[in-house]
Amino acid sequence: AQKVTQAQTEISVVEKEDVTLDCVYETRDTTYYLFWYKQPPSGELVFLIRRNSFDEQNEISGRYSWNFQKSTSSFNFTITASQVVDSAVYFCALSEGGRNTDKLIFGTGTRLQVFP
Amino acid sequence: EAGVAQSPRYKIIEKRQSVAFWCNPISGHATLYWYQQILGQGPKLLIQFQNNGVVDDSQLPKDRFSAERLKGVDSTLKIQPAKLEDSAVYLCASSLNRNTEAFFGQGTRLTVV
Repeated sequence: AQKVTQAQTEISVVEKEDVTLDCVYETRDTTYYLFWYKQPPSGELVFLIRRNSFDEQNEISGRYSWNFQKSTSSFNFTITASQVVDSAVYFCALSEGGRNTDKLIFGTGTRLQVFP
Repeated sequence: EAGVAQSPRYKIIEKRQSVAFWCNPISGHATLYWYQQILGQGPKLLIQFQNNGVVDDSQLPKDRFSAERLKGVDSTLKIQPAKLEDSAVYLCASSLNRNTEAFFGQGTRLTVV
């Protein structure tokens, strides 16, 4: 069964703190894709990153970094020096390649609040 | 580049009424998705189109929900008749092709009273 677990429901930090959002996934496929999306109060889901199952290299984009570990089925997201504008709900998602559908299976999201 | 456009942004209807949502994907995107997001949950796929053909509608409640994608571009999602549990945000997304990143619209917030 495919499943994405985001155990942290809500995280509060003060500006400039680093914060890590956890994501654990389950899949039986060997080919799959992992995603992170940001959902600000406006409601639109903003794409952040896509990773395929064969690429375990960590990725850094500005203040954002992602740690993909197949051994623990995790795809964690770290924001360095958080800012108030980072306040949003963050979703981790999984899609399985090689199937008839490439639907995204989302976790329940982690609400991040960054206080000034 | 224009994003995914959805209308209306908000809709309030009484139960048993019907409602329709419209989506215009990013130009050139072959794949279009409709997701339902209930408050406090992650989005759940209702239907996926590849051009104007249906790829996956396994989670679409077909007794009341229907969707079409006209000429492989715009899409409409209809609910008839609506139930209280249909209250949710309906998100449309498009991607250039299968297994590429999907871009989402702002969604339509539906309240059924």
